[in-house]
Amino acid sequence: DAGVTQSPTHLIKTRGQQVTLRCSPKSGHDTVSWYQQALGQGPQFIFQYYEEEERQRGNFPDRFSGHQFPNYSSELNVNALLLGDSALYLCASSLAGGFTDTQYFGPGTRLTVL
Amino acid sequence: GESVGLHLPTLSVQEGDNSIINCAYSNSASDYFIWYKQESGKGPQFIIDIRSNMDKRQGQRVTVLLNKTVKHLSLQIAATQPGDSAVYFCAEPYGNKLVFGAGTILRVKS
Repeated sequence: DAGVTQSPTHLIKTRGQQVTLRCSPKSGHDTVSWYQQALGQGPQFIFQYYEEEERQRGNFPDRFSGHQFPNYSSELNVNALLLGDSALYLCASSLAGGFTDTQYFGPGTRLTVL
Repeated sequence: GESVGLHLPTLSVQEGDNSIINCAYSNSASDYFIWYKQESGKGPQFIIDIRSNMDKRQGQRVTVLLNKTVKHLSLQIAATQPGDSAVYFCAEPYGNKLVFGAGTILRVKS
């Protein structure tokens, strides 16, 4: 049973650049959520995608955008990178309408902005 | 507002002892809570969950207790092992998102 996968593992960018992170959900899941985790803090919700639409969004600027594909995989795009965007970006998948709302996380992408 | 927080930022226990990690929540209407374990350099790993119609739920070496009166939940780890060293988060769903607390670092001394 394939778990949540993310790519790349690590990424280094400079201020002002754009970045795209990718996520494949756990087998059988149709919903993908993205979180940002700063060092020493808990994950913060960015947004969730279901049926290729953004279903809920956290308190993040429009520089953060996403997409979900027909195969349920997802991308997170961040434009005009700031130093403060350096963090671990986590993707979590779940099954809409499932018995629980449990979200299963991938290993994350470590983004460093210089 | 939404708030899920932890009492103790760091917990050090001797190998073989039991560990108790605490979490307070603020939303009385919450009906579901989750504990995650995050090892260094990895994503959060689901440990156990509990619904508000339960006071206690047991898993393998872990037990979660829910006290709705004081809006508190705890994670108990029996016979703590070095592999249990990690950051532990409680999380609470708000709509489609999870709200996490700051986390408790568990250090296991051999």
